[in-house]
Amino acid sequence: AQSVAQPEDQVNVAEGNPLTVKCTYSVSGNPYLFWYVQYPNRGLQFLLKYITGDNLVKGSYGFEAEFNKSQTSFHLKKPSALVSDSALYFCAVRSSGNTDKLIFGTGTRLQVFP
Amino acid sequence: DSGVTQTPKHLITATGQRVTLRCSPRSGDLSVYWYQQSLDQGLQFLIQYYNGEERAKGNILERFSAQQFPDLHSELNLSSLELGDSALYFCASSVGQYNEQFFGPGTRLTVL
Repeated sequence: AQSVAQPEDQVNVAEGNPLTVKCTYSVSGNPYLFWYVQYPNRGLQFLLKYITGDNLVKGSYGFEAEFNKSQTSFHLKKPSALVSDSALYFCAVRSSGNTDKLIFGTGTRLQVFP
Repeated sequence: DSGVTQTPKHLITATGQRVTLRCSPRSGDLSVYWYQQSLDQGLQFLIQYYNGEERAKGNILERFSAQQFPDLHSELNLSSLELGDSALYFCASSVGQYNEQFFGPGTRLTVL
C-alpha cells in the first residue's frame, strides 16, 4: 500500500538559514510526489511536484525538492528561509491504479524565527 | 486564489442533522476530490468524481454521499451527523490524472 511519512512534527529554523522538511514514501510502481503548504485558516496550496525527469524539482516561492529513488525520499528545501514561510507543510503521493487520489503525510509545522 | 470555491465557509449544526457542502472546481477541471482534515485523522481522501462519474472512494462513511452535476460542481452530503464529524472539508480539482490538485479554502463543520 502507498504511504508517506513525515518524520518531524515541527522544524525550527532561523530566518536566512537553509531549511529542509523531510518526506519518505512507499509506493508500488513509479512515484508521483507533491508538496503542499497550508497557512492558518486556508486551504492547501500546491508548491511543486515530481512526475519524472530531473531529481531536483523547483517550485513556488523559492522552494525546491530533491527526489532520491534509492532512499525513497522527497525532501523539501529552501536555501534561505523567510518568517513568512512559517506554515504547515504536507508531502503527498499519488495513488496508483485508476484513481489519482492523494495520500498525505501527517504534516510538518515549519517555524521560522526572526 | 486557487480558483476552486467552496460554500459555506463555516457550518455549525447539531448531532443528527444533515448538511450539504458545495464545491465549484476550476474552469476546465473535470476531476473533483473531497478530503476531510481532522486533528486525529489528518488529511483523508473521501471520494473522487470525474466528469460526473464516481471514480474512487476512500474512507467515506455510509452516512456521507456526494455527486457531481453536469456543470461539474459537486456537493458532499453529510447526514446523521455525529460529534466526530467535526472537521475541515476540502474540495480539490484537477485537469487530468498526473496533474496537481488545486484545493478550495475548505468548509469548517462544527457539530454540537
